[in-house]
Amino acid sequence: GAGVSQTPSNKVTEKGKYVELRCDPISGHTALYWYRQSLGQGPEFLIYFQGTGAADDSGLPNDRFFAVRPEGSVSTLKIQRTERGDSAVYLCASSLNGQLGTGELFFGEGSRLTVL
Amino acid sequence: GQNIDQPTEMTATEGAIVQINCTYQTSGFNGLFWYQQHAGEAPTFLSYNVLDGLEEKGRFSSFLSRSKGYSYLLLKELQMKDSASYLCAVISRQAGTALIFGKGTTLSVSS
Repeated sequence: GAGVSQTPSNKVTEKGKYVELRCDPISGHTALYWYRQSLGQGPEFLIYFQGTGAADDSGLPNDRFFAVRPEGSVSTLKIQRTERGDSAVYLCASSLNGQLGTGELFFGEGSRLTVL
Repeated sequence: GQNIDQPTEMTATEGAIVQINCTYQTSGFNGLFWYQQHAGEAPTFLSYNVLDGLEEKGRFSSFLSRSKGYSYLLLKELQMKDSASYLCAVISRQAGTALIFGKGTTLSVSS
């Protein structure tokens, strides 16, 4: 597609529920990143995919968070047993080849998650 | 670990020049980015520096000093539409290939 697409744009859920957030990167981009942004803060790195594999998942806060990219394109971020502290905007970004020195990240509009 | 510091807020008037500073501490520095983010929108790329010196791109310029762990973003001929958050981000070998962001500087431009 023309840009990075994320769905849903807004998600309200109750504490303890399971949530899936979807990211469709720019066509042809092999690298995909998930970030989380709380109000007044910069984006916080969660996980990075190169193709189908998670090249770096060091930013995932705990084992309730998991992400997949089975065919090397669309990615899903999965959050189990949601907590109020998970409320944030979840940003997805893609880049052509993961070589950030030669190309920048292109961000989606984000999915705003609110856990009541 | 890594640490990126930027002022939280800045204000300026239309037509003026503003400089947003960023200091960083990281092991294995591999480049610095500036992004612009309007409220409720996605961050968009402004500049990338990996070598010392000034990179100019229209009204925006970015400077890097690797020995000082310091960068600034210079915005000239400010316009109301420049009101946004400006995010400094670094690539470090310690972070793999991900960008690590600072908290951002919220710039308010008034007429």
